[in-house]
Amino acid sequence: DARVTQTPRHKVTEMGQEVTMRCQPILGHNTVFWYRQTMMQGLELLAYFRNRAPLDDSGMPKDRFSAEMPDATLATLKIQPSEPRDSAVYFCASGLVGGGEAFFGQGTRLTVV
Amino acid sequence: DQQVKQNSPSLSVQEGRISILNCDYTNSMFDYFLWYKKYPAEGPTFLISISSIKDKNEDGRFTVFLNKSAKHLSLHIVPSQPGDSAVYFCAASYIAGGTSYGKLTFGQGTILTVHP
Repeated sequence: DARVTQTPRHKVTEMGQEVTMRCQPILGHNTVFWYRQTMMQGLELLAYFRNRAPLDDSGMPKDRFSAEMPDATLATLKIQPSEPRDSAVYFCASGLVGGGEAFFGQGTRLTVV
Repeated sequence: DQQVKQNSPSLSVQEGRISILNCDYTNSMFDYFLWYKKYPAEGPTFLISISSIKDKNEDGRFTVFLNKSAKHLSLHIVPSQPGDSAVYFCAASYIAGGTSYGKLTFGQGTILTVHP
């Protein structure tokens, strides 16, 4: 049963701490997305990778957020330092270029206190 | 700049009736449109899609309509069931090529509640 796996599912951290979220895309998929779900913005695109290359991270606060794909089986989203306004659910999704839809993980619920 | 907009934050419908969810987009380069459904504490799941060369796509109780001239799409659910209660997101993509090839842009979502 192919699925996108995200860890951790929940994270509570103190303001100023570093947070790392991990994603294992579906094997064979060549696009990876990071989204943040907020009440006002819906699903906000933070980063988009195609064949492991970052193509669009314009939605990401550059001073504190970074996204990488060290290999085809792992994508990471890092926040350093974290702030209370970063509290949200972060989703990773993967898909195939030209295939249309993306498949989502279950998300990481981040709370920064 | 919100390129995909869902102007109705919520919709309430009686079981058995039709649910109509609406979505507008501003970028005429989008050529593929999707609807996702999301339950609490889960990731969004793909529901139905439509290519810009079509104006209608049907899958069981779900039909998506695309009006390219108005840059508008809608999702019809007939008949609505209580299990359809969820957040519905529309999304748009480019699959014809270019730098943004494959990127999915989502709307804000509409909360659908179907009452028994």
